[in-house]
Amino acid sequence: AQSVSQHNHHVILSEAASLELGCNYSYGGTVNLFWYVQYPGQHLQLLLKYFSGDPLVKGIKGFEAEFIKSKFSFNLRKPSVQWSDTAEYFCAVNANTGRRALTFGSGTRLQVQP
Amino acid sequence: DVKVTQSSRYLVKRTGEKVFLECVQDMDHENMFWYRQDPGLGLRLIYFSYDVKMKEKGDIPEGYSVSREKKERFSLILESASTNQTSMYLCASSWGGSSYNSPLHFGNGTRLTVT
Repeated sequence: AQSVSQHNHHVILSEAASLELGCNYSYGGTVNLFWYVQYPGQHLQLLLKYFSGDPLVKGIKGFEAEFIKSKFSFNLRKPSVQWSDTAEYFCAVNANTGRRALTFGSGTRLQVQP
Repeated sequence: DVKVTQSSRYLVKRTGEKVFLECVQDMDHENMFWYRQDPGLGLRLIYFSYDVKMKEKGDIPEGYSVSREKKERFSLILESASTNQTSMYLCASSWGGSSYNSPLHFGNGTRLTVT
């Protein structure tokens, strides 16, 4: 079964610091990868996705993620965070096994201090 | 813009009650999902449906059932609510067809407390 690990449960950064959130998945075949974000009091929304092609994908609000197949990783990055990036971030995977549903990681709570 | 509407934002129910959580989407999406969100556990899939009257168990279906009689509506049923079902419940939908990987569109969630 597919699984997703997010090792950083709670990250605290100051504004302008660089961000990298880890995501590792367990499936060895073809995967489709996503990052979702949940701002305080809001619904989950898509940040970015990777299906194929260039392993460096760019999303909304200056976020990007790099798919490294050899490391089974899809880490999320942002060069300079803002207070408004305070949110919970979820990595998700669909392993193309025929199951039409995403498996999510446990989430990382990011707190950006002004 | 896709809208996924969950009928209640907050619910308080007693142990043993039968509980219905309703979800409606307005974009003619084939796929609909129910997840529960718990701190430190992320989102866990309860059930999903890829067509009317079709359903598949997710990772934690015990104690739950679902109903999809119309394409736009997907209901989650707690047959006999228990305190360990206290959680945030999230409904989502996505376009289906030949793609299994359309992004999910989420509702705002229903926070259920079982006392």
